[in-house]
Amino acid sequence: DADVTQTPRNRITKTGKRIMLECSQTKGHDRMYWYRQDPGLGLRLIYYSFDVKDINKGEISDGYSVSRQAQAKFSLSLESAIPNQTALYFCATSDIHQGGLETQYFGPGTRLLVL
Amino acid sequence: AQSVAQPEDQVNVAEGNPLTVKCTYSVSGNPYLFWYVQYPNRGLQFLLKYITGDNLVKGSYGFEAEFNKSQTSFHLKKPSALVSDSALYFCAVRDFGQGGKLIFGQGTELSVKP
Repeated sequence: DADVTQTPRNRITKTGKRIMLECSQTKGHDRMYWYRQDPGLGLRLIYYSFDVKDINKGEISDGYSVSRQAQAKFSLSLESAIPNQTALYFCATSDIHQGGLETQYFGPGTRLLVL
Repeated sequence: AQSVAQPEDQVNVAEGNPLTVKCTYSVSGNPYLFWYVQYPNRGLQFLLKYITGDNLVKGSYGFEAEFNKSQTSFHLKKPSALVSDSALYFCAVRDFGQGGKLIFGQGTELSVKP
């Protein structure tokens, strides 16, 4: 979805390096999510944010941190990258107006390789 | 705990034939179910969702899904497959216990041959 953008699209880094993945959205949504995708495992939630002051851990938050700089921006950081963080990372957004039944819209993904 | 399962890693269909991608779920309470599609080098695109009401849900690109409560299934269907439908398909269920996150199945690779 062009309304949700992620940068970079591809990144190769070395073990121990700090990297940041960025997500921006123009949909005006309050909720933002970071997932990672691994083959055969589907997508798993890393962190989520309901607004700028509300950030929560997902099911696999260890080794990651996030920052919600504005309603439209949600960044994911790997403080010290390790090879098993090699994955495809997706940002997603959703609105709150459907009584909790809203659809999540995904960015194009960032493919990360940690050597 | 909420979960979904996609029992087939891959589905192969000839163009023009009907296709079915299977999904079963396990939830406490009412299920809110979704189908997403991922084309190569693209993000996930929303296809359709079931919340309540009619058991047959129609979505994008001619896809539909049938909700079956007794069989706890939410299979994705299309009457006539296209080569361009070849992609990775994910079933997901909404987990209200953790920020409304989506719990995804492992994905099913659909291959449509001419």
